[in-house]
Amino acid sequence: DIQMTQSPSTLSASVGDRVTITCRASQSISRWLAWYQQKPGKAPKVLIYEASSLQSGVPSRFSGSGSGTEFTLTISSLQPDDFATYYCQQYNSHSPKLTFGGGTKVEIK
Amino acid sequence: QVQLVQSGSELKEPGASVKVSCRASGYTFTTYSISWVRQAPGQGLEWMGWINTNSGYPTYVQGFTGRFVFSLDTSVNTAYMQITSLKAEDTALYYCARGRGFCSSSNCYFDLWGQGTLVTASS
Repeated sequence: DIQMTQSPSTLSASVGDRVTITCRASQSISRWLAWYQQKPGKAPKVLIYEASSLQSGVPSRFSGSGSGTEFTLTISSLQPDDFATYYCQQYNSHSPKLTFGGGTKVEIK
Repeated sequence: QVQLVQSGSELKEPGASVKVSCRASGYTFTTYSISWVRQAPGQGLEWMGWINTNSGYPTYVQGFTGRFVFSLDTSVNTAYMQITSLKAEDTALYYCARGRGFCSSSNCYFDLWGQGTLVTASS
């Protein structure tokens, strides 16, 4: 299985900060990567797919980049609604199993 | 409204069975696959497998074979996930999710999620 490693595991930031979360794959996944946001007690919500495509309805302050084994999710100006846990997910067809990263919790500083 | 609505929380004794439902509305049910994702308490997300909503054919990933059964009732646009011989370690939130792409070749992400069903296996 392809292992997905996110960093940091926890991030403390203030409203208005630029925030970057990194996701590394144990082997190349081309651009087959999605990012999700999960708030406590809620289901995950897709933000980005195919590494950089913004899901309909998601604010433009969210952006994704990367290819191969290294990817980033950037929030250009952190808003109060953005404090949550973020997960990456690889969906490379050369792997028998879809896998998620361990998550990055974005906390209020 | 496009949504997936899951059945409510379940408390079962170890050894019992549980069946979780996931009812789709607002879109053509058979157009997209349904996957199941587990989230153990305080943990991350784990893909359990998926079911083809056209054929009803289920696919289970390693670790979810044997005691887990995915099924459908297309007449009511509903997918089901059953766990038999429950163990304490099955205690988790279980989500259904709509797949975009080709889950048949593990090439899909999830654009619509149910609200989650908490299954607790405890005596």
